[in-house]
Amino acid sequence: GQNIDQPTEMTATEGAIVQINCTYQTSGFNGLFWYQQHAGEAPTFLSYNVLDGLEEKGRFSSFLSRSKGYSYLLLKELQMKDSASYLCAVRSSSGGSYIPTFGRGTSLIVHP
Amino acid sequence: NAGVTQTPKFRVLKTGQSMTLLCAQDMNHEYMYWYRQDPGMGLRLIHYSVGEGTTAKGEVPDGYNVSRLKKQNFLLGLESAAPSQTSVYFCASSNMRTQEDEQFFGPGTRLTVL
Repeated sequence: GQNIDQPTEMTATEGAIVQINCTYQTSGFNGLFWYQQHAGEAPTFLSYNVLDGLEEKGRFSSFLSRSKGYSYLLLKELQMKDSASYLCAVRSSSGGSYIPTFGRGTSLIVHP
Repeated sequence: NAGVTQTPKFRVLKTGQSMTLLCAQDMNHEYMYWYRQDPGMGLRLIHYSVGEGTTAKGEVPDGYNVSRLKKQNFLLGLESAAPSQTSVYFCASSNMRTQEDEQFFGPGTRLTVL
């Protein structure tokens, strides 16, 4: 089985930087995804990491350490529209298939 | 391209009734998934399919059945609905052409079982 942990809720100020952590335990690791989900909407893809290190995409960056079972999503220059839930998903092999498992999500509240 | 679509968007059932949720994707993806999302529980995998004619159980399969008769469609059935199945159901699809292939999600079906 898999165990994925994220903080339940975080708050931050508009214009600031926030880091959302995700720790996991799994066998057959095959990549880690971050998704954003606004209230009442479907999740949408943000980033993917399979090798150790930092991946940068505009205001969003994602980091992975496979040896520590740890990832974080870094959001810079926060905007009000960044208020959403952020889902960490770990993909692992299962009987020859590669299936993602989601953490419970981190609800981020950005205030003025 | 419409991406991933789900039918219906909302439904209210009485305990014991049956229904089928339809998911369709027009991206020629091999993998399709059904998740349920409950407050504080994140997305939990119900069943998934790695290709036409194949299905497999996920984390919470009890009370649900699925079929993948056509590559573009993935059906989720509730034979005898229970109040514990009140949830938001999301369908997703993905490919495995590259490792980076992410999941694309449908808009969700909000189901209430009374």
